[in-house]
Amino acid sequence: GENVEQHPSTLSVQEGDSAVIKCTYSDSASNYFPWYKQELGKRPQLIIDIRSNVGEKKDQRIAVTLNKTAKHFSLHITETQPEDSAVYFCAAHIYGNKLVFGAGTILRVKS
Amino acid sequence: SAVISQKPSRDICQRGTSLTIQCQVDSQVTMMFWYRQQPGQSLTLIATANQGSEATYESGFVIDKFPISRPNLTFSTLTVSNMSPEDSSIYLCSVVGQIAGGGADTQYFGPGTRLTVL
Repeated sequence: GENVEQHPSTLSVQEGDSAVIKCTYSDSASNYFPWYKQELGKRPQLIIDIRSNVGEKKDQRIAVTLNKTAKHFSLHITETQPEDSAVYFCAAHIYGNKLVFGAGTILRVKS
Repeated sequence: SAVISQKPSRDICQRGTSLTIQCQVDSQVTMMFWYRQQPGQSLTLIATANQGSEATYESGFVIDKFPISRPNLTFSTLTVSNMSPEDSSIYLCSVVGQIAGGGADTQYFGPGTRLTVL
C-alpha cells in the first residue's frame, strides 16, 4: 500500500526566512497531494493541494512542487510569519478517495 | 462554505464503556471518513462510512470495536466500544465533496472529538 514519508520532523526558522518541507510517496498511481496545517487544538486545515497534471502551484506565500518521476513533493513557505507556526501534514490520495498522511512537521517561526 | 460539526467536542470516559461520536455536514457530500489522531501523532484512517451500507475498515480496525453508521449523505456516527486508555485520542470525521470551492476529491475535516479514557 501507499507509504508517505515526511521530512523534517521539526523545523525552526527565523521570521522572514523560507521553510521547505519534503514528502515522498510510494504508489505511482497517486495523483492528488494535499497539504494540511494543524494549529494546536484545531482541526487540520487544507492550505494547498496539487494534482499530478501540474508540477507547481502557488498561492501567495505558499507553493507546492511535484516531481512525479521521483515521487516526491514539497511545500515552500516564503517570508514566514509567527502565525505560520503549526504542524504541517502532507498526504497522498489513493483509491477510494482515501488519503495517506505523512508523519507531520512541527514548524516554529521565531520572531 | 460547508460547515462540519462533531459532537461531543470532548469527553472523559471510564474503561469498558462506549462512546458514540456524531458528525454532521450542512450539505450533501459524496464520502465521509473517520480518522484517529493519537497524541502528537499523524492522522490514521479508521474507515470509510458508506451511505446505507456497512463501513469499509482499514487494516487494524474492526467493526466490533468501531461500529459506524451513515444513514444519509450528511450524517455519520462512530462508536468507540469497550474503551481502554489506549483509545484516548482525537477522533475526526472528514468529508469529500465539491464544497467550499474545492475539487471533487478535496477532503475537509470536522473539529474533532477529544476522548480521554480513564
